[in-house]
Amino acid sequence: DGGITQSPKYLFRKEGQNVTLSCEQNLNHDAMYWYRQDPGQGLRLIYYSQIVNDFQKGDIAEGYSVSREKKESFPLTVTSAQKNPTAFYLCASSIGQENQPQHFGDGTRLSIL
Amino acid sequence: AQSVAQPEDQVNVAEGNPLTVKCTYSVSGNPYLFWYVQYPNRGLQFLLKYITGDNLVKGSYGFEAEFNKSQTSFHLKKPSALVSDSALYFCAVRDELGNFNKFYFGSGTKLNVKP
Repeated sequence: DGGITQSPKYLFRKEGQNVTLSCEQNLNHDAMYWYRQDPGQGLRLIYYSQIVNDFQKGDIAEGYSVSREKKESFPLTVTSAQKNPTAFYLCASSIGQENQPQHFGDGTRLSIL
Repeated sequence: AQSVAQPEDQVNVAEGNPLTVKCTYSVSGNPYLFWYVQYPNRGLQFLLKYITGDNLVKGSYGFEAEFNKSQTSFHLKKPSALVSDSALYFCAVRDELGNFNKFYFGSGTKLNVKP
Protein backbone atom coordinates (compact mmCIF):
# COMPACT_ATOMS: atom_id res chain seq x y z
CA ASP A 1 0.00 0.00 0.00
CA GLY A 2 1.16 3.50 -0.73
CA GLY A 3 1.71 5.83 2.16
CA ILE A 4 4.02 7.86 4.36
CA THR A 5 6.25 6.26 6.96
CA GLN A 6 7.66 8.22 9.84
CA SER A 7 10.25 6.81 12.20
CA PRO A 8 10.84 6.45 15.00
CA LYS A 9 7.44 6.65 16.68
CA TYR A 10 9.02 7.97 19.90
CA LEU A 11 12.34 9.80 20.26
CA PHE A 12 14.21 11.22 23.21
CA ARG A 13 16.77 13.97 22.99
CA LYS A 14 19.47 14.93 25.43
CA GLU A 15 20.53 18.52 25.98
CA GLY A 16 22.84 19.76 23.25
CA GLN A 17 22.05 16.86 20.94
CA ASN A 18 20.83 16.94 17.36
CA VAL A 19 18.27 14.34 16.37
CA THR A 20 16.90 13.39 12.95
CA LEU A 21 13.33 12.34 12.21
CA SER A 22 12.77 10.20 9.17
CA CYS A 23 9.98 10.60 6.62
CA GLU A 24 9.61 8.37 3.56
CA GLN A 25 6.78 8.29 1.01
CA ASN A 26 6.04 5.91 -1.84
CA LEU A 27 3.17 7.94 -3.30
CA ASN A 28 5.36 9.58 -5.93
CA HIS A 29 4.35 12.98 -4.57
CA ASP A 30 6.39 16.05 -5.47
CA ALA A 31 5.71 18.13 -2.36
CA MET A 32 6.60 17.18 1.21
CA TYR A 33 6.06 18.99 4.50
CA TRP A 34 7.00 18.99 8.15
CA TYR A 35 4.62 20.25 10.82
CA ARG A 36 4.89 20.63 14.54
CA GLN A 37 1.85 19.99 16.75
CA ASP A 38 1.75 21.08 20.40
CA PRO A 39 -1.00 20.04 22.83
CA GLY A 40 -4.17 22.01 22.25
CA GLN A 41 -2.72 23.74 19.23
CA GLY A 42 -3.03 23.30 15.52
CA LEU A 43 -0.34 22.46 13.02
CA ARG A 44 2.57 24.84 12.47
CA LEU A 45 4.62 24.53 9.29
CA ILE A 46 8.36 24.04 9.82
CA TYR A 47 9.65 23.40 6.28
CA TYR A 48 8.28 22.30 2.96
CA SER A 49 9.76 21.11 -0.29
CA GLN A 50 8.13 21.33 -3.70
CA ILE A 51 10.78 19.41 -5.63
CA VAL A 52 14.00 17.51 -5.05
CA ASN A 53 16.96 19.63 -3.91
CA ASP A 54 14.71 22.56 -3.04
CA PHE A 55 12.96 23.52 0.18
CA GLN A 56 11.49 26.60 1.85
CA LYS A 57 11.18 27.73 5.42
CA GLY A 58 7.78 27.63 6.99
CA ASP A 59 6.53 29.66 9.93
CA ILE A 60 8.77 28.15 12.63
CA ALA A 61 11.98 27.02 10.88
CA GLU A 62 14.44 28.29 13.51
CA GLY A 63 16.29 25.43 15.18
CA TYR A 64 15.38 22.94 12.45
CA SER A 65 17.02 21.81 9.21
CA VAL A 66 15.94 19.58 6.32
CA SER A 67 17.26 18.02 3.14
CA ARG A 68 15.55 16.70 0.02
CA GLU A 69 18.07 14.61 -1.88
CA LYS A 70 15.51 12.07 -3.07
CA LYS A 71 11.89 12.49 -4.06
CA GLU A 72 10.69 9.94 -1.55
CA SER A 73 12.64 11.18 1.48
CA PHE A 74 12.46 14.39 3.54
CA PRO A 75 14.32 14.04 6.88
CA LEU A 76 14.02 16.69 9.57
CA THR A 77 16.87 17.46 11.98
CA VAL A 78 16.01 19.07 15.28
CA THR A 79 19.15 20.90 16.30
CA SER A 80 20.37 21.91 19.75
CA ALA A 81 19.39 25.46 18.82
CA GLN A 82 15.72 24.46 19.16
CA LYS A 83 15.22 25.14 22.85
CA ASN A 84 11.73 23.73 23.18
CA PRO A 85 11.62 20.68 20.91
CA THR A 86 9.10 18.61 22.84
CA ALA A 87 6.19 18.13 20.44
CA PHE A 88 4.46 15.80 18.01
CA TYR A 89 6.02 16.05 14.54
CA LEU A 90 4.00 15.24 11.44
CA CYS A 91 5.26 14.69 7.94
CA ALA A 92 2.96 15.06 4.95
CA SER A 93 3.11 14.90 1.19
CA SER A 94 0.93 16.06 -1.67
CA ILE A 95 0.78 15.82 -5.42
CA GLY A 96 1.47 19.17 -7.03
CA GLN A 97 -2.14 19.99 -7.83
CA GLU A 98 -4.23 22.44 -5.87
CA ASN A 99 -7.33 20.25 -5.73
CA GLN A 100 -5.58 17.37 -3.99
CA PRO A 101 -5.26 16.90 -0.21
CA GLN A 102 -2.17 16.17 1.81
CA HIS A 103 -1.40 12.68 3.06
CA PHE A 104 0.06 12.37 6.56
CA GLY A 105 2.33 9.98 8.37
CA ASP A 106 1.54 8.80 11.89
CA GLY A 107 3.96 11.18 13.53
CA THR A 108 7.01 11.13 15.78
CA ARG A 109 6.72 12.21 19.40
CA LEU A 110 9.91 13.92 20.55
CA SER A 111 10.68 14.41 24.23
CA ILE A 112 13.58 15.85 26.19
CA LEU A 113 15.49 13.66 28.63
CA ALA B 1 -3.51 36.98 4.05
CA GLN B 2 -4.66 33.42 4.01
CA SER B 3 -6.12 32.01 7.20
CA VAL B 4 -8.55 29.50 8.63
CA ALA B 5 -10.56 29.89 11.82
CA GLN B 6 -12.26 27.17 13.82
CA PRO B 7 -14.12 29.18 16.46
CA GLU B 8 -14.90 26.28 18.79
CA ASP B 9 -12.15 24.50 20.67
CA GLN B 10 -14.59 21.76 21.62
CA VAL B 11 -17.98 20.52 20.50
CA ASN B 12 -20.07 18.17 22.64
CA VAL B 13 -22.93 16.16 21.18
CA ALA B 14 -24.97 13.14 22.20
CA GLU B 15 -24.78 9.98 20.12
CA GLY B 16 -27.47 9.92 17.46
CA ASN B 17 -27.78 13.69 17.33
CA PRO B 18 -26.59 15.79 14.38
CA LEU B 19 -23.22 17.46 14.68
CA THR B 20 -21.66 20.58 13.18
CA VAL B 21 -18.03 21.66 13.37
CA LYS B 22 -17.49 25.20 12.15
CA CYS B 23 -14.82 26.60 9.85
CA THR B 24 -14.36 29.98 8.22
CA TYR B 25 -11.56 30.97 5.87
CA SER B 26 -9.87 33.91 4.22
CA VAL B 27 -8.03 33.64 0.89
CA SER B 28 -7.17 35.89 -2.01
CA GLY B 29 -8.61 33.79 -4.80
CA ASN B 30 -10.92 30.82 -4.99
CA PRO B 31 -10.48 28.45 -2.04
CA TYR B 32 -9.72 24.76 -2.11
CA LEU B 33 -11.08 23.49 1.22
CA PHE B 34 -10.38 20.30 3.12
CA TRP B 35 -11.44 18.57 6.33
CA TYR B 36 -9.22 16.14 8.22
CA VAL B 37 -9.70 14.01 11.32
CA GLN B 38 -7.01 13.08 13.83
CA TYR B 39 -7.22 10.30 16.39
CA PRO B 40 -4.86 10.29 19.41
CA ASN B 41 -1.21 9.75 18.52
CA ARG B 42 -2.01 9.39 14.83
CA GLY B 43 -1.59 11.51 11.74
CA LEU B 44 -4.37 13.42 10.03
CA GLN B 45 -6.77 11.51 7.81
CA PHE B 46 -8.47 13.18 4.87
CA LEU B 47 -12.29 13.31 5.12
CA LEU B 48 -13.51 15.45 2.25
CA LYS B 49 -12.76 18.41 0.01
CA TYR B 50 -14.46 21.24 -1.83
CA ILE B 51 -12.94 22.38 -5.10
CA THR B 52 -15.81 23.67 -7.20
CA GLY B 53 -19.39 22.84 -8.08
CA ASP B 54 -21.97 21.56 -5.62
CA ASN B 55 -21.93 23.41 -2.32
CA LEU B 56 -22.71 20.25 -0.36
CA VAL B 57 -19.80 17.86 -0.39
CA LYS B 58 -20.02 14.28 0.83
CA GLY B 59 -17.04 12.47 2.28
CA SER B 60 -15.89 9.50 4.31
CA TYR B 61 -17.70 7.94 7.31
CA GLY B 62 -20.99 9.74 6.59
CA PHE B 63 -19.54 13.23 6.95
CA GLU B 64 -20.51 16.08 4.68
CA ALA B 65 -19.63 19.75 4.50
CA GLU B 66 -21.44 22.81 3.25
CA PHE B 67 -19.55 25.50 1.36
CA ASN B 68 -20.95 29.02 1.67
CA LYS B 69 -19.08 31.57 -0.41
CA SER B 70 -20.86 34.66 0.91
CA GLN B 71 -20.13 33.67 4.52
CA THR B 72 -16.68 32.23 3.63
CA SER B 73 -17.54 29.13 5.61
CA PHE B 74 -17.10 25.41 5.20
CA HIS B 75 -18.85 23.70 8.11
CA LEU B 76 -18.52 19.97 8.69
CA LYS B 77 -21.72 18.08 9.41
CA LYS B 78 -23.04 14.63 10.15
CA PRO B 79 -26.73 13.76 10.53
CA SER B 80 -26.22 11.22 13.34
CA ALA B 81 -23.09 11.22 15.50
CA LEU B 82 -21.33 8.08 16.69
CA VAL B 83 -19.16 7.71 19.79
CA SER B 84 -16.38 6.61 17.43
CA ASP B 85 -16.52 10.06 15.77
CA SER B 86 -14.88 11.53 18.88
CA ALA B 87 -11.59 12.97 17.63
CA LEU B 88 -9.82 16.19 16.67
CA TYR B 89 -11.01 17.82 13.44
CA PHE B 90 -9.03 20.22 11.29
CA CYS B 91 -10.16 22.47 8.49
CA ALA B 92 -7.56 23.49 5.87
CA VAL B 93 -7.46 25.73 2.81
CA ARG B 94 -5.31 26.13 -0.25
CA ASP B 95 -5.38 29.44 -2.09
CA GLU B 96 -5.84 29.44 -5.86
CA LEU B 97 -3.81 32.65 -6.15
CA GLY B 98 -1.18 31.94 -3.52
CA ASN B 99 1.51 29.34 -3.23
CA PHE B 100 -0.74 26.41 -3.95
CA ASN B 101 1.68 24.04 -2.30
CA LYS B 102 0.98 25.66 1.06
CA PHE B 103 -1.93 24.52 3.18
CA TYR B 104 -3.34 26.72 5.95
CA PHE B 105 -4.84 24.88 8.91
CA GLY B 106 -7.29 25.90 11.58
CA SER B 107 -6.43 25.31 15.22
CA GLY B 108 -8.61 22.22 15.44
CA THR B 109 -11.89 21.35 17.14
CA LYS B 110 -12.19 18.49 19.57
CA LEU B 111 -15.43 16.59 19.05
CA ASN B 112 -16.82 14.68 22.01
CA VAL B 113 -19.72 12.33 21.31
CA LYS B 114 -21.30 10.96 24.46
CA PRO B 115 -23.29 7.72 24.60
